[in-house]
Amino acid sequence: EVQLVESGGGLVQPGGSLRLSCAASGFTFSSYEMNWVRQAPGKGLEWVSYISSSGSTIYYADSVKGRFTISRDNAKNSLYLQMNSLRAEDTAVYYCARGYADFDYWGQGTLVTVSS
Amino acid sequence: QSALTQPPSASGSPGQSVTISCTGTSSDVGGYNYVSWYQQHPGKAPKLMIYEVSKRPSGVPDRFSGSKSGNTASLTVSGLQAEDEADYYCSSYAGSNNKVFGTGTKVTVL
Repeated sequence: EVQLVESGGGLVQPGGSLRLSCAASGFTFSSYEMNWVRQAPGKGLEWVSYISSSGSTIYYADSVKGRFTISRDNAKNSLYLQMNSLRAEDTAVYYCARGYADFDYWGQGTLVTVSS
Repeated sequence: QSALTQPPSASGSPGQSVTISCTGTSSDVGGYNYVSWYQQHPGKAPKLMIYEVSKRPSGVPDRFSGSKSGNTASLTVSGLQAEDEADYYCSSYAGSNNKVFGTGTKVTVL
């Protein structure tokens, strides 16, 4: 059974940093492209970042470019999102999701709250 | 990249059909056959219901169908059931390695 489990969310002050993790199981992680997608409270979904199966190709939404860094460790079946210079508008549930043009499996999400 | 436009709400009685539209531009929906649809129940993660405009993942009932005409994609749910009550989001590849989601539609089963 495919499982994606996010962790690392929490309360952080504006300008602060946070690192999210996504632990994958039930499939050959190193063969799949991965993404981070977020959802602000009561709002819609927003694609954040993409990483290829090898980690050699990375893309970001304009809203996070220069502040967020996606990475992966295929040996540990894990996906990461380093978030720096956090803003109030980054407050959201962050999901990891598998795929490229569409996302066939999602984690349960981890809540990031940016507030003083 | 602007969000794709969906109606805020849609409704139907059990057994009826409901169709949700998703309007974009020639740079996203109209330009690629990479439109997908997601179902999200309150407090839960999204679930893929349709990919590549009209394909259904294994396990998704054939009551769910997708189509596209020009810059507008559509999701139809036939034979509405109580468990279909949820938020639905469309998504499209938008070129330059971007993906864009729709504004979301709340489906109510009357």
